[in-house]
Amino acid sequence: NAGVTQTPKFRILKIGQSMTLQCTQDMNHNYMYWYRQDPGMGLKLIYYSVGAGITDKGEVPNGYNVSRSTTEDFPLRLELAAPSQTSVYFCASRSTEAFFGQGTRLTVV
Amino acid sequence: KQEVTQIPAALSVPEGENLVLNCSFTDSAIYNLQWFRQDPGKGLTSLLLIQSSQREQTSGRLNASLDKSSGRSTLYIAASQPGDSATYLCAVRDNTGKLIFGQGTTLQVKP
Repeated sequence: NAGVTQTPKFRILKIGQSMTLQCTQDMNHNYMYWYRQDPGMGLKLIYYSVGAGITDKGEVPNGYNVSRSTTEDFPLRLELAAPSQTSVYFCASRSTEAFFGQGTRLTVV
Repeated sequence: KQEVTQIPAALSVPEGENLVLNCSFTDSAIYNLQWFRQDPGKGLTSLLLIQSSQREQTSGRLNASLDKSSGRSTLYIAASQPGDSATYLCAVRDNTGKLIFGQGTTLQVKP
């Protein structure tokens, strides 16, 4: 019973590089979310999706892009990585109750 | 804009104490409220979900209450144990489908 799976778990990027954080869920949930969590802080919403083909911005979308071509997958793309994007990224999905992945720890140097 | 606040930011108690964590939100038009636990370096684990029509939910030593009209929820932990040490986060689902989090309360239970 996988739930929400995020890959990779850890990544170091150089300034200006790009990468995609993967998120997949096997619960057939329509709603999916991407958050970032900075040290000692709560979670800030980057993007969310209410179903395949539909995405919307959250609080802090600048520097990120998402797509939702299937119900299962919700990848987060970082273009031109900056040190300010150093953070832990969490993906979540829900029907009523929300479930989270284990996170991706990203460092931009 | 919905804002969620958790007070206190940190709490340290001796083992065995009963304690209350607070969560407040500015817009009472919520669908539900969910409490999570986060251990250091880990993801979030769901503890309790309260629908907007409910007043409370219980799971073992945990009891969560919801007062939508006053924009408040509390998480009551009975007979605290060192294993309860973690950060506790509340999140509200608003009417657009977004989940909005508070900043969390970091709990330390001392043996």
